[in-house]
Amino acid sequence: DTAVSQTPKYLVTQMGNDKSIKCEQNLGHDTMYWYKQDSKKFLKIMFSYNNKELIINETVPNRFSPKSPDKAHLNLHINSLELGDSAVYFCASSQPTSGLYNEQFFGPGTRLTVL
Amino acid sequence: AQSVTQLGSHVSVSEGALVLLRCNYSSSVPPYLFWYVQYPNQGLQLLLKYTSAATLVKGINGFEAEFKKSETSFHLTKPSAHMSDAAEYFCAVTNQAGTALIFGKGTTLSVSS
Repeated sequence: DTAVSQTPKYLVTQMGNDKSIKCEQNLGHDTMYWYKQDSKKFLKIMFSYNNKELIINETVPNRFSPKSPDKAHLNLHINSLELGDSAVYFCASSQPTSGLYNEQFFGPGTRLTVL
Repeated sequence: AQSVTQLGSHVSVSEGALVLLRCNYSSSVPPYLFWYVQYPNQGLQLLLKYTSAATLVKGINGFEAEFKKSETSFHLTKPSAHMSDAAEYFCAVTNQAGTALIFGKGTTLSVSS
């Protein structure tokens, strides 16, 4: 059983379109994340949800809107796609314990290509 | 503020040679540190983690890392490289609030026969 799954794995679309990426985790974790990996492989946090509540919203264009229907799912909707949105998007989940310990489990990634 | 610096964006070794990937961190609180590996076209897999229990941490696939507070380092090593170790390696630290990971820029490990 896949712990953190994402669909689709590849997404090719035209500029200006709206698209969604879905993420599901079956680990029973309370917290889920979206990370963006750019063409230089640099990974940066975009959003974090804890039990369906937004915790982190980094400096991300408001064209990006996460939605968490329940704590096992965190979807990413992107409006008016731009060339610069081309990247690999990773979903992750964790169950933060006491203090700052936060081991995260990552999905396989969604490679978004905007033409 | 928390940050991670990985020295060397690309490391090349021969099969059977020692692997050393460097990671230095900056943290205003006692850090939790991680090494992740990313194989081509795959997600990130946890190699090992430092949670303050022991300074020498053993991970999967024969990797280990040593936490050195005096040097603010968490370097990753493997005594003998294997071709299958070729991948991208990321060092990460938990952010100050414990709500996300801050990643280094990654190190590409190449292994030649």
